Amino acid sequence: EDQVTQSPEALRLQEGESSSLNCSYTVSGLRGLFWYRQDPGKGPEFLFTLYSAGEEKEKERLKATLTKKESFLHITAPKPEDSATYLCAVQAVWDYKLSFGAGTTVTVRA
Amino acid sequence: DGGITQSPKYLFRKEGQNVTLSCEQNLNHDAMYWYRQDPGQGLRLIYYSQIVNDFQKGDIAEGYSVSREKKESFPLTVTSAQKNPTAFYLCASSSGTGEVREQFFGPGTRLTVL
Repeated sequence: EDQVTQSPEALRLQEGESSSLNCSYTVSGLRGLFWYRQDPGKGPEFLFTLYSAGEEKEKERLKATLTKKESFLHITAPKPEDSATYLCAVQAVWDYKLSFGAGTTVTVRA
Repeated sequence: DGGITQSPKYLFRKEGQNVTLSCEQNLNHDAMYWYRQDPGQGLRLIYYSQIVNDFQKGDIAEGYSVSREKKESFPLTVTSAQKNPTAFYLCASSSGTGEVREQFFGPGTRLTVL
């Protein structure tokens, strides 16, 4: 069974204080790893897809990286508007479905 | 303006009632999904559909039913058999072509049992 574990559960940052979120996964063959952002009371917003170990993708202050066992979402010099819950999901090579982690809630204080 | 719409945004259900949540997409996606989100838990898959007139149970299908009569629409019915239906429900869709399935989500429906 595919498993996705995100840590920490919550992260409180000062504006400008860079940090990283972790997504550890167990899957029998990775087709893709996905990062989403979710604001309170809203649906998740797609951020990135990573396909293979060593791959990196960036969007504004966010950078996602992938190894064979985990992915990191680095937030560089965060702003209060980066406050959200960040979700990680994996898709196995044999499946169309995604398995989601419980998310990391990031709060950035001005 | 392409996207996924869900209605209503908030829904209140009395004990013993069936309720139907609407999901419509104009992205021309083949696949559609329903998830349930509870505090502190990851999204859990209820049902999914790869093509019109076909759907499969996800991990927590008991007490729910769906239909897929049109490509654009995938309504979810929460039946009285679902013992703990209070949750945030999310609909998603993905392109049926290609192997990687980025899913795009609607705004969600919050269901509360009175």
